[in-house]
Amino acid sequence: QKEVEQNSGPLSVPEGAIASLNCTYSDRGSQSFFWYRQYSGKSPELIMFIYSNGDKEDGRFTAQLNKASQYVSLLIRDSQPSDSATYLCAVNRDDKIIFGKGTRLHILP
Amino acid sequence: DAGVIQSPRHEVTEMGQEVTLRCKPISGHDYLFWYRQTMMRGLELLIYFNNNVPIDDSGMPEDRFSAKMPNASFSTLKIQPSEPRDSAVYFCASSLSGVVTEAFFGQGTRLTVV
Repeated sequence: QKEVEQNSGPLSVPEGAIASLNCTYSDRGSQSFFWYRQYSGKSPELIMFIYSNGDKEDGRFTAQLNKASQYVSLLIRDSQPSDSATYLCAVNRDDKIIFGKGTRLHILP
Repeated sequence: DAGVIQSPRHEVTEMGQEVTLRCKPISGHDYLFWYRQTMMRGLELLIYFNNNVPIDDSGMPEDRFSAKMPNASFSTLKIQPSEPRDSAVYFCASSLSGVVTEAFFGQGTRLTVV
């Protein structure tokens, strides 16, 4: 089992709808969790991080963490064409940062 | 700060040649990571350093790969000899210590081995 698993997609979502991205992790010692966005040909950039169970909101983005289920999700509200990208889930344990393979998101105009 | 700086941005080399990728982390960051990204395998952690000391190199695929960090502002990833299957985008990232600190990425080096 890979340490961080994501559905590779593509996930197609109509403009204006909610996009839901999911991630599971295997190491229960993981301490913090990150969502990165990567446009084609570019480097990953941080969108949000979360380390406590529950929800964390930042603008159109909401990260959700359930440590008991070892599950992290990212919701994008009012999806825009500019949100089309690959979304990478990452976990941090003792400063070692491991990434999932990413989910390709396509927002349909 | 200019961010994490990698060089070269693109490298095309022939199979069997030595390749050296370079990275300058963000000043003050005490962690440096080398990742490799391919369509098939995603973003794989190859090795990471803390205060210039290699902590975990379990992701280095073979003995052909080596990495050094001679000082806090410079790191290299060397492949010798290179093979076509090494073709990928190699990213360097740096971070501060701490559970909630993010990794900041360089622009990457796109390596093509022919």
